[in-house]
Amino acid sequence: DTEVTQTPKHLVMGMTNKKSLKCEQHMGHRAMYWYKQKAKKPPELMFVYSYEKLSINESVPSRFSPECPNSSLLNLHLHALQPEDSALYLCASSQEGSSVPDTQYFGPGTRLTVL
Amino acid sequence: GENVEQHPSTLSVQEGDSAVIKCTYSDSASNYFPWYKQELGKRPQLIIDIRSNVGEKKDQRIAVTLNKTAKHFSLHITETQPEDSAVYFCAASIHGKLTFGQGTILTVHP
Repeated sequence: DTEVTQTPKHLVMGMTNKKSLKCEQHMGHRAMYWYKQKAKKPPELMFVYSYEKLSINESVPSRFSPECPNSSLLNLHLHALQPEDSALYLCASSQEGSSVPDTQYFGPGTRLTVL
Repeated sequence: GENVEQHPSTLSVQEGDSAVIKCTYSDSASNYFPWYKQELGKRPQLIIDIRSNVGEKKDQRIAVTLNKTAKHFSLHITETQPEDSAVYFCAASIHGKLTFGQGTILTVHP
């Protein structure tokens, strides 16, 4: 399996809802990432997990809560989001993470709309 | 932190022409420079990358050059085809953290 998968593909939620995004990879990668991408903009890094430990948090608001249950899975828990949080949320993975510069492979993303 | 500038923001070429996209970075500690292609509604896909100990890399119609002294790197696409139309992002990496350029919308006209 050489792909990063993400579910759901689309998500619509109200500002009071709690939802979760899921990301999975079976390439044996030890680093996983969450990015946020607004329309016509580049991906912006949110979080990095390296060997299942949170290594980078780019000052993301606490309404976004990441979780790495094991080396293949990455979740992003969402709570009390704002309409401006509507975006494409991309997950990525790479072989090693922070110590070695290596290729990040992206999932197809979850298109999130906050009403 | 790292800052990556990418030019041009839009590029329109005729099929068969070459396309060149240029990026500059600010942090000399950056050591890995990937290029991603993103088609509308799809994921960014790596098309080529280069590490800081290499000056040039080529893969069929695509090449990347890196000038560490000047802190700039470029993507060259030869013999462009309509299916090359997409948004292209350059990026620079420090300790595994990617900083992207603002993107170039490439349109190849048949």
